[in-house]
Amino acid sequence: AQTIHQWPVAEIKAVGSPLSLGCTIKGKSSPNLYWYWQATGGTLQQLFYSITVGQVESVVQLNLSASRPKDDQFILSTEKLLLSHSGFYLCAWSPLPQGGDTQYFGPGTRLLVL
Amino acid sequence: GDSVTQTEGLVTLTKGLPVMLNCTYQTTYSPFLFWYVQHLNEAPKLLLKSSTDNKRTEHQGFYATLHKSSSSFHLQKSSVQLSDSALYFCALSESGGYKVVFGSGTRLLVSP
Repeated sequence: AQTIHQWPVAEIKAVGSPLSLGCTIKGKSSPNLYWYWQATGGTLQQLFYSITVGQVESVVQLNLSASRPKDDQFILSTEKLLLSHSGFYLCAWSPLPQGGDTQYFGPGTRLLVL
Repeated sequence: GDSVTQTEGLVTLTKGLPVMLNCTYQTTYSPFLFWYVQHLNEAPKLLLKSSTDNKRTEHQGFYATLHKSSSSFHLQKSSVQLSDSALYFCALSESGGYKVVFGSGTRLLVSP
């Protein structure tokens, strides 16, 4: 069975500080990976997706970047946090190589920027 | 661009009553429609999905039919339970694509 882990579980960071969030999926080779952001009680905004190692596509610009250094790892980062970055960050994977399929979400990371 | 509209922000119901959550979409491509449910402090999970026109899909007592003629994929249940209280998202993806657009979400609150 596939499992998806995210780290850290939660973070409290200062405005202007750097950030790195991680996601690892086990039990699935070459998954499509995604990053989403959710404001408290709000909708899910897709940020990035990656279909292979080293390739990341940006969906929206929120002063964030993403990288896929390994087949099973997806990293979300920024050098300078903004107050607007607070929220719930979710990593997801989908099984079909051609996309357009169910998103399976990880447990998420809660970020509070002060 | 592509969009998903959920008209109800909050729906409150008494246990045992039926519910319908509205979802309409706009796209130029062949769509894949999804309903995800998110319970408090949890990640979203798939509830239903469909890409077949006029075919009813069901799961855990919930059901929905994709109507391409009206660009709709409304979620229904004949009798809601307390455990159905959650945030429900309708989402749109292109068959074979990687971008996913979510609606604004509908919070369902079921009271005893």
